[in-house]
Amino acid sequence: ETGVTQTPRHLVMGMTNKKSLKCEQHLGHNAMYWYKQSAKKPLELMFVYNFKEQTENNSVPSRFSPECPNSSHLFLHLHTLQPEDSALYLCASSQGPLANTGELFFGEGSRLTVL
Amino acid sequence: GENVEQHPSTLSVQEGDSAVIKCTYSDSASNYFPWYKQELGKRPQLIIDIRSNVGEKKDQRIAVTLNKTAKHFSLHITETQPEDSAVYFCACGGGSNYKLTFGKGTLLTVNP
Repeated sequence: ETGVTQTPRHLVMGMTNKKSLKCEQHLGHNAMYWYKQSAKKPLELMFVYNFKEQTENNSVPSRFSPECPNSSHLFLHLHTLQPEDSALYLCASSQGPLANTGELFFGEGSRLTVL
Repeated sequence: GENVEQHPSTLSVQEGDSAVIKCTYSDSASNYFPWYKQELGKRPQLIIDIRSNVGEKKDQRIAVTLNKTAKHFSLHITETQPEDSAVYFCACGGGSNYKLTFGKGTLLTVNP
């Protein structure tokens, strides 16, 4: 029943693998986000897309490559990851700028383990 | 950039007591202050937010207060219940942008 759906929910990959995380929102929102959640750390913004255009790249290493083909879909392509990249990756969407329109709607997250 | 400090990192209260979580921020341009609740294994969800043109906002058992001069804001939960047990995150944002800076979170445990 969530408006933001993420797949897969769990992913285990080796450092040389290539995988992708997928996010879909059914809320008619214009902005989509990737956040990284690690233990004992604040939620870290990775990327923001507004109307398919990237508006934020928070100094994320190039081994993480986002793709936003339309306002409803967001991907995070993973390549040559490190064990420290193991975390919960949360996708979110919003109607517009947060200070104006408020709420981030999060997905359930994709739990990534890099061996 | 913005820096958000959140305290305490863990908080344990008895059912029916009040709980207070405090956050401080550094950027005086911040004007939007939401609080998110994340239950174990679940996604974060907005529970209340406040904008800098008001000093206090209340929604049933939860309230948020904002002191822009001192650059701090607080979450107050009264008459706590076991289902309030979760991690609570404060955040700051501002202007016409999409960036929120989050605190590290507070693990609240309400003991029956």
